[in-house]
Amino acid sequence: GENVEQHPSTLSVQEGDSAVIKCTYSDSASNYFPWYKQELGKRPQLIIDIRSNVGEKKDQRIAVTLNKTAKHFSLHITETQPEDSAVYFCAASSVGSARQLTFGSGTQLTVLP
Amino acid sequence: NAGVTQTPKFQVLKTGQSMTLQCAQDMNHNSMYWYRQDPGMGLRLIYYSASEGTTDKGEVPNGYNVSRLNKREFSLRLESAAPSQTSVYFCASSLALYEQYFGPGTRLTVT
Repeated sequence: GENVEQHPSTLSVQEGDSAVIKCTYSDSASNYFPWYKQELGKRPQLIIDIRSNVGEKKDQRIAVTLNKTAKHFSLHITETQPEDSAVYFCAASSVGSARQLTFGSGTQLTVLP
Repeated sequence: NAGVTQTPKFQVLKTGQSMTLQCAQDMNHNSMYWYRQDPGMGLRLIYYSASEGTTDKGEVPNGYNVSRLNKREFSLRLESAAPSQTSVYFCASSLALYEQYFGPGTRLTVT
């Protein structure tokens, strides 16, 4: 089955700096890569996703890049703000009748004011 | 729309007791999922239902059963709870191959 590794497990940045979280996956058939943000005590919420036919996707201060050859993808957050502090999860999914997401173990991002 | 709802929010069980976690969605989604979340381990898929009338095992199905009651509802049952099943359980739903929307979660403690 799919295996997703996520690094780092914790990340602290100064407000206004950029943050980068990296994930690798094992199944070359995976073709969908979402990123979820989870605030303390809340449900995970999708912040951005990318499909395997695209190398990069941006949404305001958030971007995701995908390298299919190396089987890794990354989340980039620019101009970080205190409200970006949360746990971020990457996930990967292959083709099927439903999206069976395999999640990474999460990154606790802390943005220091 | 309420989105994805789950009941109960919190539950404490003794070892060997049984219970059913309820999940419902009002977004007319085809697919529904059950995950568990443990510290440092992300979310792991327990069972999923690609469409009404079908269910399949995920990564960690042992000790659980599910029922897709209709298009809206997908329940998770623990027949004989064990301390290893102490976790936060999330239900999610999606329209075919698109974004999964998560419910608020159920925090379960088994003593």
